[in-house]
Amino acid sequence: DIQMTQSPSSLSASVGDRVTITCQASQDITNYLNWYQQRPGKAPKVLIYDSSNLQTGVPSRFSGSGSGTDFTFTISSLQPEDIATYYCQQYDNFPFTFGPGTKVDIK
Amino acid sequence: EVHLVESGGGLVQPGRSLRLSCAASGFTFSSYWMHWFRQAPGKGLVWVSSINRDASRTIYTDSVKGRFTMSRDNAKNTLYLEMNSLRAEDTAIYYCARGWQADYWGQGTLVTVSS
Repeated sequence: DIQMTQSPSSLSASVGDRVTITCQASQDITNYLNWYQQRPGKAPKVLIYDSSNLQTGVPSRFSGSGSGTDFTFTISSLQPEDIATYYCQQYDNFPFTFGPGTKVDIK
Repeated sequence: EVHLVESGGGLVQPGRSLRLSCAASGFTFSSYWMHWFRQAPGKGLVWVSSINRDASRTIYTDSVKGRFTMSRDNAKNTLYLEMNSLRAEDTAIYYCARGWQADYWGQGTLVTVSS
């Protein structure tokens, strides 16, 4: 199985700050990576697919990059509504696997 | 607009069965792989099973193999998850999701396995 690691596990930042989360796969997954946002008590929502493509309707302050084993997710200017847990997930191979999540809070 | 609506969750005793449904609308259901994911209370996301477009192939995570059966009815735009021999560790919110990329998810249905 492909193992996904994420860092940090949590972070606290101020409104307007740039936030970066990294995700590493245990083997090459090309660019078959999603980034999800899960607000408290809500279903996960795909923000980025294929590592860097913005899902329809998602604000442009969210972005993703990377290929192979190393990936980055960025919020260019943190907003109060961005309080959530963010997950990466690979869909290169079954079983699909997720990172453990990064909890983002407002300082 | 893509909509996925899960149903069928509830409280069930260990060893019993439950069938989940996922009603799809707003897209050509038969053109997409579909998936089930789950999330135990306070835990992360876990892939459970997937089915291809014509239901000729299903894949399961090891912990549910032989107990869960995923199926679909393309005429009814509906996805199913038949869950047998349920265990306490199957307690979770179950989500269906569309397409190989799992680009749209439903709101989930809670399954609680407890005596």
